[in-house]
Amino acid sequence: GNSVTQMEGPVTLSEEAFLTINCTYTATGYPSLFWYVQYPGEGLQLLLKATKADDKGSNKGFEATYRKETTSFHLEKGSVQVSDSAVYFCGSSPRGFQKLVFGTGTRLLVSP
Amino acid sequence: EAGVTQFPSHSVIEKGQTVTLRCDPISGHDNLYWYRRVMGKEIKFLLHFVKESKQDESGMPNNRFLAERTGGTYSTLKVQPAELEDSGVYFCASRTQGANTEAFFGQGTRLTVV
Repeated sequence: GNSVTQMEGPVTLSEEAFLTINCTYTATGYPSLFWYVQYPGEGLQLLLKATKADDKGSNKGFEATYRKETTSFHLEKGSVQVSDSAVYFCGSSPRGFQKLVFGTGTRLLVSP
Repeated sequence: EAGVTQFPSHSVIEKGQTVTLRCDPISGHDNLYWYRRVMGKEIKFLLHFVKESKQDESGMPNNRFLAERTGGTYSTLKVQPAELEDSGVYFCASRTQGANTEAFFGQGTRLTVV
């Protein structure tokens, strides 16, 4: 079955530091891949997505590239802000947004 | 437009009691999903409604969990009787028809069984 593995947190960074949160997946076929973010006190929000190999999803300065050869979808941001502090979930789905499979979540803490 | 709304936001109950969680999806969204995150672990799929019909309930942990979606609008998830291992955050999500339409999540209900 499908599964997602992401790096454990918390990840603690200073403002303007570079961020990488690793995510790898196992799946049959070619799943869609996602990053969701949960800010304190809020629900999960879609941050970005990619639906096929070599696609790059991007939003709010965050990027992730669908790497079929390494089965990875690592999340990156060149310069984090305090407001980026949240829990980030990597996810996959065999098709579109149906029956999402998530990783364990990575808490990001950004200090001024 | 209102987002996905879940009630209550928190619930603390004793082992053996019954709890009912409610999810109001975005109006017009036929697809409704329940997910659960237990103690910092991954968020796991529980079940999927299309309108009032259960499309996939393969993630339901056992028969103490009962989900309904009468009339194809809001959904309830009842846990009876609750056990300690049921503690966690229960998320609801909804989306419109179509394979690639985005799933929108509620803020979750944090359930604590003591």
